Amino acid sequence: KQEVTQIPAALSVPEGENLVLNCSFTDSAIYNLQWFRQDPGKGLTSLLLIQSSQREQTSGRLNASLDKSSGRSTLYIAASQPGDSATYLCAVTSANSNYQLIWGAGTKLIIKP
Amino acid sequence: DTGVSQDPRHKITKRGQNVTFRCDPISEHNRLYWYRQTLGQGPEFLTYFQNEAQLEKSRLLSDRFSAERPKGSFSTLEIQRTEQGDSAMYLCASSYSLQVTDTQYFGPGTRLTVL
Repeated sequence: KQEVTQIPAALSVPEGENLVLNCSFTDSAIYNLQWFRQDPGKGLTSLLLIQSSQREQTSGRLNASLDKSSGRSTLYIAASQPGDSATYLCAVTSANSNYQLIWGAGTKLIIKP
Repeated sequence: DTGVSQDPRHKITKRGQNVTFRCDPISEHNRLYWYRQTLGQGPEFLTYFQNEAQLEKSRLLSDRFSAERPKGSFSTLEIQRTEQGDSAMYLCASSYSLQVTDTQYFGPGTRLTVL
């Protein structure tokens, strides 16, 4: 059974710092991995999707990497801003889970001005 | 396009009552998903529709839960005889895809509190 873990559960950093969020999964036979952002009262927004054949994806100040063999992904945020404060969740899909999203519990990120 | 909308945003009910939530997906999206999320956890898949057909249901979806998507447009999720353990955020998402996976667009959720 696929399990997705995100550590730490919470992270607080000063504005302007670069930071890395971690995601690990137990079954490396994934189809893709996605990073989402969740703001209170505003649902979830997809940030980046990495196919299993890809190593990384970039969007603006965000860069997500995928190491399928080790069951790990990282989300790198450059030059953090207070507006980046949110909970970040990763989710994977695989044939073993009927391609449904299997989610981590998220990392709550606070960027201090 | 205004995105995925859910109604109501908040619902407080007493144990044993029935509740119904509505989700309006992005127009022309063929897939619609329901998830449940409790505090500090990621969403848990409940069920999904491709057009009007309910293709998959999680084991989390007990017989007290029922979902419909008449005419392949909006969807409703009904919980009968609510229990305190049903208290959670219920999220709806929609997508357009002919592939096995897709990019899902989420609504703001309905927060249910069962007293």
